Amino acid sequence: EPEVTQTPSHQVTQMGQEVILRCVPISNHLYFYWYRQILGQKVEFLVSFYNNEISEKSEIFDDQFSVERPDGSNFTLKIRSTKLEDSAMYFCASSGTANYGYTFGSGTRLTVV
Amino acid sequence: AQKVTQAQTEISVVEKEDVTLDCVYETRDTTYYLFWYKQPPSGELVFLIRRNSFDEQNEISGRYSWNFQKSTSSFNFTITASQVVDSAVYFCALFNNAGNMLTFGGGTRLMVKP
Repeated sequence: EPEVTQTPSHQVTQMGQEVILRCVPISNHLYFYWYRQILGQKVEFLVSFYNNEISEKSEIFDDQFSVERPDGSNFTLKIRSTKLEDSAMYFCASSGTANYGYTFGSGTRLTVV
Repeated sequence: AQKVTQAQTEISVVEKEDVTLDCVYETRDTTYYLFWYKQPPSGELVFLIRRNSFDEQNEISGRYSWNFQKSTSSFNFTITASQVVDSAVYFCALFNNAGNMLTFGGGTRLMVKP
């Protein structure tokens, strides 16, 4: 069964450093997403991406965040200058249509120290 | 604005008991989609079911069943004859086309004791 692949599974970074979280969506999917889950809390929407541009973003997704699909297969989330409160599990997801086949990756646990 | 409420933050049952996880949602959309995900201790989100707003038929998949009641805006999930492996956090989520995003409930932690 097709999978969404996220790397790394766990990343530790120093406060103020830039991090890039990587995702390989399912190959024929057109919609891509990032979600965040702070430990013990609910999963929160960050951003959706379609046709090479952001289609929707939440208030969490401020200027410190950016997304990119650099080569037609990868989908990345960059945090420019990490803060302690960015520590969370970050999930990538992709879907074939806007609401169908919504598949999550296994997540990247980001720890900011 | 959309909202999903899972009033039960934690449920504990003994193996073989039946358990129902509640989910109530709010949306102004006439077309929307409801999902349930399982998050085991390993942390990944495992898709369980997707239901569109026009399909109110209940669904059964093995020990799992779902009751969609549009009149009460609820989409409840029942596990029959629970097993220890069912222990996880379960999330209900609502997708709306306009926002192109999933709105998650706060999750229900289910603990099944042997």
